[in-house]
Parts: sequence; structure tokens; C-alpha cells
Amino acid sequence: AQTVTQSQPEMSVQEAETVTLSCTYDTSENNYYLFWYKQPPSRQMILVIRQEAYKQQNATENRFSVNFQKAAKSFSLKISDSQLGDTAMYFCAFMKLNTGTASKLTFGTGTRLQVTL
Amino acid sequence: EAGVTQSPTHLIKTRGQQATLRCSPISGHTSVYWYQQALGLGLQFLLWYDEGEERNRGNFPPRFSGRQFPNYSSELNVNALELEDSALYLCASSLEGDYSNQPQHFGDGTRLSIL
Repeated sequence: AQTVTQSQPEMSVQEAETVTLSCTYDTSENNYYLFWYKQPPSRQMILVIRQEAYKQQNATENRFSVNFQKAAKSFSLKISDSQLGDTAMYFCAFMKLNTGTASKLTFGTGTRLQVTL
Repeated sequence: EAGVTQSPTHLIKTRGQQATLRCSPISGHTSVYWYQQALGLGLQFLLWYDEGEERNRGNFPPRFSGRQFPNYSSELNVNALELEDSALYLCASSLEGDYSNQPQHFGDGTRLSIL
């Protein structure tokens, strides 16, 4: 079974600063996806960024980037130039890669990020 | 404590038919969420119900609808099925309140296959 651990229940960052959210996971699989989701008060899980395990290059999406360390099973999210709208709960998630089927996501417990003025 | 349960596990339909998916939340949870997870993709938010009311809806056409019953269980209905509706449909539940302390607990999903 897969496990995802987010060791930071809450974090705070000032507007325009950079913050890094930590995530570690445990799996015996070699092929998988990793995700970071954002959940604002609307409760909608919004996909922030996705990383395929077979890709060595770290994924980036505008102000969001990841540091994927496969050997260490670490997948941290860096938010640059933080904005007030980044205030949300952030979830790290793991998905085993199954050929031809979608499989269930395993989520971490989340990190609540507060962006302040 | 029983987790979130979904039924059926797998549902096979043809184009144009209607599908009904069911979800029972963890006892004591009042919020239910529905997500679509297509092949190789992450979650796409469909619906959020709390205390019997629809609280939020994702960017899906009206043929995706649902409801929440007085016992907090929920149904997702998909009308006029199309091939691209084939996906894993996940239900999650949580306690209402300060969302930062109320994680969503996911069921195992219903795999909907459209032939």
C-alpha cells in the first residue's frame, strides 16, 4: 500500500515571498504520478501540478514548481511570488500508474497555507 | 468505523443511457463530494453537497446531476452518456466546519465504462 506524508499541518508566508511545502511518500511501485492539489474554501480540489515518476525533469507551472527526488521519495512544492489567492489547503497525492485504467489517488493529510500582507 | 462506500464497483453502459452512482459517507460526515478521474489524469471536481444542499458545482454539463439524502448518502446521475464519460468516479466525505481541520476521506470509486 502507498502512503503519503505531509509533515507541516500549517504554514504562513508573506505576499511576494517564496514558500516550500514538503511531501514524502512510500511505495514499492516504479511507475506512478504525483500531484499537488489546492483546496480553497470553495472545497473544490484544484490540480496545481503533476509529475510523472519516469521524468527526471521537475514539473513547473508558472509560479509553482516541484522538487522531485525519486530515490528519497520526496516531492516538495515551491510557490514563488506568493499571492493572497494562494491561501488554501494543499494536498500531496500519489497515483499508481495502471495501463488502461485510472486508479485511486492516495492523499496526504494536507498543509494549510496562509498568505499574509 | 466503516469508510466511504460506493456502489457499484463497476458499471457498464452504452452511449445515450443513464447511470446512477451511489455513495455512503462515513458516519457523522455531512459533506459529500463527487470527482471524476479520467484515464491518467487527476481529479476533476464535480459536486459538493452538505446538509442536503448543493454547495458547489464543477465545470460539467447539466447532464451531470446529483442529490444528497436526509441520511447524508448521495447519488450521482449522468444522463445521455457519452464515450468520454468513461472514468473512475470518486466520492469523498468530510465533517463540515473549518475545512483546514476536516480532511476528505475517499471511497474506492465506481468505474464507469461506456461502450
